[in-house]
Amino acid sequence: DAMVIQNPRYQVTQFGKPVTLSCSQTLNHNVMYWYQQKSSQAPKLLFHYYDKDFNNEADTPDNFQSRRPNTSFCFLDIRSPGLGDAAMYLCATSKSGTSYEQYFGPGTRLTVT
Amino acid sequence: GENVEQHPSTLSVQEGDSAVIKCTYSDSASNYFPWYKQELGKRPQLIIDIRSNVGEKKDQRIAVTLNKTAKHFSLHITETQPEDSAVYFCAARVSGTYKYIFGTGTRLKVLA
Repeated sequence: DAMVIQNPRYQVTQFGKPVTLSCSQTLNHNVMYWYQQKSSQAPKLLFHYYDKDFNNEADTPDNFQSRRPNTSFCFLDIRSPGLGDAAMYLCATSKSGTSYEQYFGPGTRLTVT
Repeated sequence: GENVEQHPSTLSVQEGDSAVIKCTYSDSASNYFPWYKQELGKRPQLIIDIRSNVGEKKDQRIAVTLNKTAKHFSLHITETQPEDSAVYFCAARVSGTYKYIFGTGTRLKVLA
């Protein structure tokens, strides 16, 4: 019954080596989000999609990019990971309309060596 | 910009006592306020939410109250148990968007 799936759950990458994190959903929700969460901090919104409409947060570094090829899938690309990008990356979905609840995936723990 | 302040940052209570966590938001047009519980290494889990047209909502030992005039909302946990120990985040939906602003989190410890 997995609803929001993230792969991989753990990712180790080298400093400067591009990495892609994946998110898929079976809820048919039209809004998808990527959050970065560092230890003991609140989730920080990086960007979100409303359908294909991409919304970037003003303070999201250019190093972070995203793609949403269809309703079900969303990708987070980190072009040149730095040590400061080590974090938990959470994907979430919601449905536009009167239901406001966000559904979170289990997260991908990114380690940069 | 929109902001959500959350207090306290840490809270220790004895098992069986009540715990209260408070949040203040800046966007007076915010209309949805969820509360999440996050255990170490896990995803945020929605535990209760409230909409702006409601002043209070209760679900067993958990309740949320909303004061729109003061732009405050609070989480109340009664009869706390050790398994309630976690980090709790409040959030507010930014009006006119699909974005949510999170509070800074409260680490709750329930002492057996």
